[in-house]
Amino acid sequence: EAAVTQSPRNKVTVTGGNVTLSCRQTNSHNYMYWYRQDTGHGLRLIHYSYGAGNLQIGDVPDGYKATRTTQEDFFLLLELASPSQTSLYFCASSDAGGSNQAPLFGEGTRLSVL
Amino acid sequence: QQKVQQSPESLSVPEGGMASFNCTSSDRNFQYFWWYRQHSGEGPKALMSIFSDGDKKEGRFTAHLNKASLHVSLHIRDSQPSDSALYFCAASEQTGGYKVVFGSGTRLLVSP
Repeated sequence: EAAVTQSPRNKVTVTGGNVTLSCRQTNSHNYMYWYRQDTGHGLRLIHYSYGAGNLQIGDVPDGYKATRTTQEDFFLLLELASPSQTSLYFCASSDAGGSNQAPLFGEGTRLSVL
Repeated sequence: QQKVQQSPESLSVPEGGMASFNCTSSDRNFQYFWWYRQHSGEGPKALMSIFSDGDKKEGRFTAHLNKASLHVSLHIRDSQPSDSALYFCAASEQTGGYKVVFGSGTRLLVSP
């Protein structure tokens, strides 16, 4: 069964802290995405990738780095976390090779920056 | 400003009623549209896609797309309390990549 797994599910850090959010998909999808969800803003695209070593800038990239180490793994890095980055983060994957498949989402990581 | 605008922000309908959601995009490059649903504590799940002008019906759900006006809608007939959730419109463009963007969402409450 197609799946996207995020870890950790919850994370608390302090301002200026270093955080890495992990995402793994076992669907053989080439595209992976990182979104943040905030009330009133919906889901906003941070970064996305269409393969290992590739990175594309999303709509709200400031303060975030991302790295796609393999087809399966996509990481989101917050090197100097700020309270404004307190949010619910979702990873998603899709096979955009002509099928125009809707991205499949993980269960989310709730991040609090104190 | 988000490229995908949704309305209304929230909606309340009685059980058995019709729920309607609207979405307008500001980018003519968008070619593919989806509706997603998110229940509390879960990730968003795709409900249905629509890529061509006109209506697409799947059970109680009907989506409509008008590419000329960049407008897409979703209608749920015979709404059930289990339909209570956050609904998102999503759109994608394929210009040098496959970027998928979402609207701000509409919260639906279906009362028994």
